[in-house]
Amino acid sequence: ETGVTQSPTHLIKTRGQQVTLRCSSQSGHNTVSWYQQALGQGPQFIFQYYREEENGRGNFPPRFSGLQFPNYSSELNVNALELDDSALYLCASSAIGLNTEAFFGQGTRLTVV
Amino acid sequence: KNQVEQSPQSLIILEGKNCTLQCNYTVSPFSNLRWYKQDTGRGPVSLTIMTFSENTKSNGRYTATLDADTKQSSLHITASQLSDSASYICVPREYGNKLVFGAGTILRVKS
Repeated sequence: ETGVTQSPTHLIKTRGQQVTLRCSSQSGHNTVSWYQQALGQGPQFIFQYYREEENGRGNFPPRFSGLQFPNYSSELNVNALELDDSALYLCASSAIGLNTEAFFGQGTRLTVV
Repeated sequence: KNQVEQSPQSLIILEGKNCTLQCNYTVSPFSNLRWYKQDTGRGPVSLTIMTFSENTKSNGRYTATLDADTKQSSLHITASQLSDSASYICVPREYGNKLVFGAGTILRVKS
């Protein structure tokens, strides 16, 4: 167990809807990163939050947004869902620093129909 | 653009055999490189992490090597077990906080 918990584990949404995914970080970690993993592919970086501020963003449109709370837990929000948004969404928590370990949650499997 | 290429894409080996997975990357500037194991539908789990000054690091039956000059890394698995069946992902880290994931090598260990 990594101490990183994601909810829900599975989710089915309809195209055009909005979704919120949640991640609770490991104790002592102030950084949360979100990734999208399509079937058969490696995870793709969406964005990272450090102390409640966005600290880097990948090549994802603005309809992907996030929040980090004072307890360092985080949310990923996706608006206007598209079929291609179907994927495993992973969050990773870490302490800030070059060589610190990143611990992943078990992921949320989102299916858009 | 920072890229990570892993080979082979997939591999099937018999239980007890050894195997080596390869990774070439173009991430720059570079701070460290990690290998992760990912079971299907689960989050990745770290196997090793090496800074640019380290050449090799072991974790049980897993041994990773790194050549920061040629931007190549490998993961060697010794005496494979059925539980080693998973995706193995090479992840160099940009100087900053961004991890750059390869597509992974899918390993299947047969009895």
